[in-house]
Amino acid sequence: NAGVMQNPRHLVRRRGQEARLRCSPMKGHSHVYWYRQLPEEGLKFMVYLQKENIIDESGMPKERFSAEFPKEGPSILRIQQVVRGDSAAYFCASSPLIRDRADEQFFGPGTRLTVL
Amino acid sequence: DAKTTQPPSMDCAEGRAANLPCNHSTISGNEYVYWYRQIHSQGPQYIIHGLKNNETNEMASLIITEDRKSSTLILPHATLRDTAVYYCIVRVVNTDKLIFGTGTRLQVFP
Repeated sequence: NAGVMQNPRHLVRRRGQEARLRCSPMKGHSHVYWYRQLPEEGLKFMVYLQKENIIDESGMPKERFSAEFPKEGPSILRIQQVVRGDSAAYFCASSPLIRDRADEQFFGPGTRLTVL
Repeated sequence: DAKTTQPPSMDCAEGRAANLPCNHSTISGNEYVYWYRQIHSQGPQYIIHGLKNNETNEMASLIITEDRKSSTLILPHATLRDTAVYYCIVRVVNTDKLIFGTGTRLQVFP
């Protein structure tokens, strides 16, 4: 049973370009979360999605950032017109989220974005 | 903001028990205590969670005080591979997002 998969593992972009980060949840998981980790800091929640729905985007910057989790295919975190401050590790997590149970989130290996 | 307070760093000798404390004095009745760790720059790894009873699994034990205002994660026989940043998180069931603080950097030495 493969774990959470993220690609690419490393991504280099120049200022002003677009970055697309992909996340495939564990088999049977329909809930995806994105977190960002700036250098030497802890992880910060960005967005929580279920299939075709954004449930909580309270941690997403208001501009340039968007996320989706289509019915088919991986979840995508998209950053438009990247700036140097977007350089970070972006982690995706998934869970089955069975109601009335405290479910753990399983994390992927992360995508390290470097903006030149 | 994180609702937990942890010491920034701790050391532990290999083979000894590592006891990592966490304060969560404002925890609510429906909030669980979760522990994750992050080894180097890998994705966080789930360790254990509990509500009010002590919990044990193959990785660790979690001791929660009776008033639930603090807890301790115990790694019974620390190895060099346990060197990591350990995060204590309080989380309401089914609110989903994890709020990470700064964690405790545990260094296990030979």
